Amino acid sequence: GIQVEQSPPDLILQEGANSTLRCNFSDSVNNLQWFHQNPWGQLINLFYIPSGTKQNGRLSATTVATERYSLLYISSSQTTDSGVYFCAVGVWGQGGKLIFGQGTELSVKP
Amino acid sequence: GAGVSQSPSNKVTEKGKDVELRCDPISGHTALYWYRQSLGQGLEFLIYFQGNSAPDKSGLPSDRFSAERTGGSVSTLTIQRTQQEDSAVYLCASSQDSRGHQPQHFGDGTRLSIL
Repeated sequence: GIQVEQSPPDLILQEGANSTLRCNFSDSVNNLQWFHQNPWGQLINLFYIPSGTKQNGRLSATTVATERYSLLYISSSQTTDSGVYFCAVGVWGQGGKLIFGQGTELSVKP
Repeated sequence: GAGVSQSPSNKVTEKGKDVELRCDPISGHTALYWYRQSLGQGLEFLIYFQGNSAPDKSGLPSDRFSAERTGGSVSTLTIQRTQQEDSAVYLCASSQDSRGHQPQHFGDGTRLSIL
C-alpha cells in the first residue's frame, strides 16, 4: 500500500518563528489533507489540497502531486499552534478513506 | 448538528465485554468514516459508509468489529469480546462525499480502555 512519510518527526520553535513541514507519499493520490491535533486530542482539518497552493491566515500549503510531496508552512508561530500535524492521503479507486502519516509534533515556546 | 458528535467520550470496560460506540455526522454529509488512534499504530482507517452503497470494511482488524449506519445518518461501531489491544481512541469523520473530493471533519473521539 501507499506509504506516507512526514518530516521532521519533532520540532521545537520559539514563538514568532516560521516553519515548514513536509509530507512525502509513495504513489499517486486523489486526495491530500492536512490536520492539526491539538493537545486536547481534537483533530482539525486545515487544508484539503490534492494539488496546488492554498493559504489560510498564517498557514499555507502546497502539494506537488507529480513529485509526490506536500508542504505545510506555518508563519509567525504562536503557542496555540502546538500539537501534532498530520498529513493524510487517499488513493484513486479506494473512495475517500485516508492513509495517515505518523505526524510532526510541534511545540511552540513563549 | 454543527459538528460530528461522538458518544460516549470515554468508555472503560472489562476484557471480554461488548461495546458500542456512536457517531452522529454533520447534517447533510453522506459519507461517514471510522478510524482509530493508538500509540503503536498511529491513525488507522477502519470502515466507511457512503449513502446506500455497501460499506468499505477493508480496515476492520478482526471479525469482532462491525459497524452499521441507520437511515444514512447515525452510525454505531460495535466491538465484541473486547481485548486489551482494542484500547485506543476511536474517531469518526464525515464529508460531503466519499470519493475523496471533500475535506473530512472529525469528532472528538471515544477513548476506549479495556481492563
